[in-house]
Amino acid sequence: EPEVTQTPSHQVTQMGQEVILRCVPISNHLYFYWYRQILGQKVEFLVSFYNNEISEKSEIFDDQFSVERPDGSNFTLKIRSTKLEDSAMYFCASNRQGSNEKLFFGSGTQLSVL
Amino acid sequence: GESVGLHLPTLSVQEGDNSIINCAYSNSASDYFIWYKQESGKGPQFIIDIRSNMDKRQGQRVTVLLNKTVKHLSLQIAATQPGDSAVYFCAETYFNYGGSQGNLIFGKGTKLSVKP
Repeated sequence: EPEVTQTPSHQVTQMGQEVILRCVPISNHLYFYWYRQILGQKVEFLVSFYNNEISEKSEIFDDQFSVERPDGSNFTLKIRSTKLEDSAMYFCASNRQGSNEKLFFGSGTQLSVL
Repeated sequence: GESVGLHLPTLSVQEGDNSIINCAYSNSASDYFIWYKQESGKGPQFIIDIRSNMDKRQGQRVTVLLNKTVKHLSLQIAATQPGDSAVYFCAETYFNYGGSQGNLIFGKGTKLSVKP
């Protein structure tokens, strides 16, 4: 079965540094998402992306966050100036256009901000 | 605020028994509900979904029940196996005007442990 792949699996950074989390969605998918999960807490929606623009974003997704689809295969999440509270597991997900489509999640990037 | 929550944070069952994981939701506008399984170190994995126009949906060894009157969702796993041990999340969402899926609102998760 096709998979959403994410790199790196672990990222350690200093507070205030920029990080870029990378994702390769499933090739025929058109909708892309970022979610995050702080240790022991719920999975939280960050942003959805379709047709090269943000469709929807949550309150978490402030000006420090941005997403980009730089080419036909990658989908990235950038955090400009990381904070301690950004430490979490970040999941990328994708699905095809249309109703009743389940999301396919990647295995996540564990971000640790020191 | 609107939220999706779980009644039981942990559930321990004997191998071969049936498991029932419950979930309460509060957003009456949600029209699509999904159960996800998350194994350690992995992302959420789709198990089964149900639209709000249905009460019950069955998959392979899993059944989802939706009670819209009391805003309750449950996941039943038949003949639970050790490989079913994981954290199970319910999630709710809605379909946008164009038919695309809105953002998922996840519950906190129930940890299912299967004893051999």
